Amino acid sequence: GAGVSQTPSNKVTEKGKYVELRCDPISGHTALYWYRQSLGQGPEFLIYFQGTGAADDSGLPNDRFFAVRPEGSVSTLKIQRTERGDSAVYLCASSPQGAGDTQYFGPGTRLTVL
Amino acid sequence: EDQVTQSPEALRLQEGESSSLNCSYTVSGLRGLFWYRQDPGKGPEFLFTLYSAGEEKEKERLKATLTKKESFLHITAPKPEDSATYLCAVSPGSNYKLTFGKGTLLTVNP
Repeated sequence: GAGVSQTPSNKVTEKGKYVELRCDPISGHTALYWYRQSLGQGPEFLIYFQGTGAADDSGLPNDRFFAVRPEGSVSTLKIQRTERGDSAVYLCASSPQGAGDTQYFGPGTRLTVL
Repeated sequence: EDQVTQSPEALRLQEGESSSLNCSYTVSGLRGLFWYRQDPGKGPEFLFTLYSAGEEKEKERLKATLTKKESFLHITAPKPEDSATYLCAVSPGSNYKLTFGKGTLLTVNP
């Protein structure tokens, strides 16, 4: 079956611009997560959705970052006024329900801010 | 604060040379410990979930074990295609997010 998909696979933008990253979870998975991975590091949690609502956004670094999941399926991570320090791989994962479930990851979006 | 430390950072093995990777963790109320494999330019690929001390799981040449403080990923007679970064993560009892270690970069030479 289809796994988690993310688009675009690569995004290059200039400092100060706005970007949107999209995640399409595994069909039927109610829980969706965003992580950020810098070179040589493990993924770091950003935000968790259960259905349409953000159940935990404690990992978002500041108010330039925002994520939505309006219909409980596809999610979009939005970054305003991008900074060079935002450059990283943004990973999306989904799981059937939530706590304790295995999270299945997508291929990631590599964001480069020039 | 939940913490995961993986060792070694990098490991080079000859094909057929068995070894183990370590994942030490501190977490408030472990809900699950997860092992993932990550190839360059790809997302993490799920390998195992362990829920309680004493639990063991196997898949081909890999075996994961869990104690109250650490987990081991044993690799028996590895092949070059086992070369990847292996990530360990914990999920605490209080929430759903995974806390990852930095990973172990495994290289298996033919």
